[in-house]
Amino acid sequence: DTEVTQTPKHLVMGMTNKKSLKCEQHMGHRAMYWYKQKAKKPPELMFVYSYEKLSINESVPSRFSPECPNSSLLNLHLHALQPEDSALYLCASSQSPDSGGRQPQHFGDGTRLSIL
Amino acid sequence: AQTVTQSQPEMSVQEAETVTLSCTYDTSENNYYLFWYKQPPSRQMILVIRQEAYKQQNATENRFSVNFQKAAKSFSLKISDSQLGDTAMYFCAFMKRSGGTSYGKLTFGQGTILTVHP
Repeated sequence: DTEVTQTPKHLVMGMTNKKSLKCEQHMGHRAMYWYKQKAKKPPELMFVYSYEKLSINESVPSRFSPECPNSSLLNLHLHALQPEDSALYLCASSQSPDSGGRQPQHFGDGTRLSIL
Repeated sequence: AQTVTQSQPEMSVQEAETVTLSCTYDTSENNYYLFWYKQPPSRQMILVIRQEAYKQQNATENRFSVNFQKAAKSFSLKISDSQLGDTAMYFCAFMKRSGGTSYGKLTFGQGTILTVHP
């Protein structure tokens, strides 16, 4: 059983739609991450939240808008996406942002996103 | 910047045999962590094994062990007694040891697809 829960598991949306991806963890972790993963490729870091504050944005287009309402929840708001944004979106968490490799990241199952 | 290279896009092994996955990396850092993650077709990325660069002893986790050669910047994964459930994509990853504003950024290799045959 995964300790990082992502919903929905699958999402199909049009280019004009607005939708949100949700990620939840109850391990008391204070760092949360969004990754984008294309098929048979490694995950690409998008955003990092540290103590509910955005600490890293890897030059992600503004059509992706992250939000961290509290220490357990991370959202990714989607608007006006392009077909090339179709991918698996993974959420991860770790104990703290400066725990580095001592407390590795735990990943969710991901949301499979398809843009029509 | 760090780079991680996995030179074997695909590998296969018979059940119960041993297989080694290769990984090399390039960094100017002296303190860092190395990881092997496994991603089965079910999608969840699972940590297999972790190595701290300042430790000379190779990490082991049950059937999984690494051969860490710091000078050569090599970090291979050995899977003993391969099982069907080991079929997955394996990613080697690097993380600079935290300090200051480091936020645990993982740099992944391109991955190796491992298939275990019965």
